[in-house]
Amino acid sequence: SQKIEQNSEALNIQEGKTATLTCNYTNYSPAYLQWYRQDPGRGPVFLLLIRENEKEKRKERLKVTFDTTLKQSLFHITASQPADSATYLCAPGTGGFKTIFGAGTRLFVKA
Amino acid sequence: DAMVIQNPRYQVTQFGKPVTLSCSQTLNHNVMYWYQQKSSQAPKLLFHYYDKDFNNEADTPDNFQSRRPNTSFCFLDIRSPGLGDAAMYLCATSRGPSPGYTFGSGTRLTVV
Repeated sequence: SQKIEQNSEALNIQEGKTATLTCNYTNYSPAYLQWYRQDPGRGPVFLLLIRENEKEKRKERLKVTFDTTLKQSLFHITASQPADSATYLCAPGTGGFKTIFGAGTRLFVKA
Repeated sequence: DAMVIQNPRYQVTQFGKPVTLSCSQTLNHNVMYWYQQKSSQAPKLLFHYYDKDFNNEADTPDNFQSRRPNTSFCFLDIRSPGLGDAAMYLCATSRGPSPGYTFGSGTRLTVV
């Protein structure tokens, strides 16, 4: 069955550093991969989408890579700020209506 | 601003007492989804509506039902809530099967 793995351990980094989160998937070949941010007690907010034919996508301080050979996506936040503290979910997609989410990685950015 | 609104934010219900959660949207998206998310877990898709077509996930318990009376509103009915149904319930919308869903803020359901 399709499986998505995100680091369940929280990531703690110092303000100003680059945060790197990992998303690994198995048993399917997504056409794209999405990243969402979720604050405690809130719904996820869509951040970025990267397609299988794209190696890298950037949006302001965010950068996403997608390696279909490794079956992995990396999500980077450069010059991190305490306001970036949240849980980040990845969601590889094949099209259609069933989007499967990872459980997310909790990021804490210390001032 | 166009958005997805879920009411109430917090709902406490008694074991076995039917409860309804609501979702409304001003985005005019034709697809609406209901996800269940338990603490520190991934959101799990329960069902979705594509226009008026209802699509149930195979592993969604019969205890969960949904109604979509019009484009803007969608309801989640839990007929006989059990303690295991305590969770955050998330409503999301999209335009067709396009990715990049818009989520509401969720309803936190407590079963006592």
